[in-house]
Amino acid sequence: EVQLVQSGAEVKKPGESLKISCKGSGYNFMNYWIVWVRQMPGKGLEWMGIIYPGDSDTRYSPSFQGQVTFSADKSTSTAYLQWSSLKASDTAMYYCTRRHYYDNNGLDVWGQGTTVTVSS
Amino acid sequence: DIQMTQSPSSLSASVGDRVTITCRASQGIRNYLAWYQQKPGKVPELLIYAASTLQSGVPSRFSGSGSGTDFTLTISSLQPEDVATYYCQKYNSAPWTFGQGTKVEIK
Repeated sequence: EVQLVQSGAEVKKPGESLKISCKGSGYNFMNYWIVWVRQMPGKGLEWMGIIYPGDSDTRYSPSFQGQVTFSADKSTSTAYLQWSSLKASDTAMYYCTRRHYYDNNGLDVWGQGTTVTVSS
Repeated sequence: DIQMTQSPSSLSASVGDRVTITCRASQGIRNYLAWYQQKPGKVPELLIYAASTLQSGVPSRFSGSGSGTDFTLTISSLQPEDVATYYCQKYNSAPWTFGQGTKVEIK
């Protein structure tokens, strides 16, 4: 079964760092972009950016450039999203999803989401 | 960056109605457009990709059309289980922007 399994919910304080994970299984991790999507409470989907695990080629949305860092470990088929200093406005659900590197297709498999709560 | 504008932002229709949601790109994106459904409290799911190709397992009452800048998602006969928010997304080049969403309710 093709899956993306994300790490569990996090509760953090402003200024703390955080790294969440997204582990792929059941498919060739190297053939797909990993995409990060934010959904703030009661709001729509926001594309944060993408990483290609093969060479760690990374593209960030201008809204998230400099605010987060993507990384990937192809040996464990795991992608990561990290913050060095969280803000209350980072409180949201974060999804990882995938899109084939070459094909004209959409985001066909999604992780279950990781809830991040930042509060003092 | 290319902007994606969906309309309407919300709609209410009766079971069995034909429902149409539009998505407009500020520049041409060929057919690099997908539609997603997000039911309340659930993970988004891919409905349509390449503007008009139905994702495996998606009911045939869903269809997509368009190319260039104007796209449409149609539900031919609205069902109670279609209550959700629908998003378009362009992916021809980064950023792969989402539309703002269209909330569909049953009248």
